[in-house]
Amino acid sequence: GENVEQHPSTLSVQEGDSAVIKCTYSDSASNYFPWYKQELGKRPQLIIDIRSNVGEKKDQRIAVTLNKTAKHFSLHITETQPEDSAVYFCAASKGAGSYQLTFGKGTKLSVIP
Amino acid sequence: DVKVTQSSRYLVKRTGEKVFLECVQDMDHENMFWYRQDPGLGLRLIYFSYDVKMKEKGDIPEGYSVSREKKERFSLILESASTNQTSMYLCASSGQGAQGEQYFGPGTRLTVT
Repeated sequence: GENVEQHPSTLSVQEGDSAVIKCTYSDSASNYFPWYKQELGKRPQLIIDIRSNVGEKKDQRIAVTLNKTAKHFSLHITETQPEDSAVYFCAASKGAGSYQLTFGKGTKLSVIP
Repeated sequence: DVKVTQSSRYLVKRTGEKVFLECVQDMDHENMFWYRQDPGLGLRLIYFSYDVKMKEKGDIPEGYSVSREKKERFSLILESASTNQTSMYLCASSGQGAQGEQYFGPGTRLTVT
C-alpha cells in the first residue's frame, strides 16, 4: 500500500523566515497531494493541494511543488507569521483517482516572534 | 457553511464495552471517513464509505466496524473496547467528482479504562 514519509517532525523558524516541509510517497499511481494544517485543539483544514499534472501551485505565502519522477512533494511557507504555528500534514491519494488518502505523520511548526 | 459534527467531544468507556461514535455532515457528501489520530503517528484511516451501505476497509480496521444507513450519518463501532483504542477519532466527508477537500469534524477523544 501507499506509504508517505514526512520530514522534519518538528521545525522552528524565526518570524519572517521561510519554512519548508518535505514528503515522499511510494505509489507512483498517486495523483492527488493535499496539505492540511491543524492548529492546537482544532480540526485539520486543507490549506493547499496539487494534482499530478501540475509541478507547482501557489496561494499567497504558501506554495507546493511536486516532483513525480522522484515521488516527492514539498510545502513552502514564506514570510512566516506566529499564526502559521501548527501541525502540518501532507497526504497522497491511494492510487489514481482514489478518494482515500494516506497521511504523513505531521510536522510541528513553531514560528518564533 | 460546511459542517461536520461528531456526537461527543470526550468519551470515557470501560474495557469490553461496545462504543458508538457518530458523525453527521450537512453537505450532501457521498464520501465519509473515520480516522484515528495518535501523537507521532498522524492520521490513520480506519474505514471509508462512498455511498449508503457501502464501505471499504482502511489501513487499521481491526477492532472496528462501521454503519452508514443514511447519507448524512456515518457511525464507528468498537465492538469490545480495549485500552489500545484510546485515541482521538476524527470523522471527515468529501464530495464525489474530482478528488478534493476532506472536511473534518471536531474529533472525539475516547479514553478506554
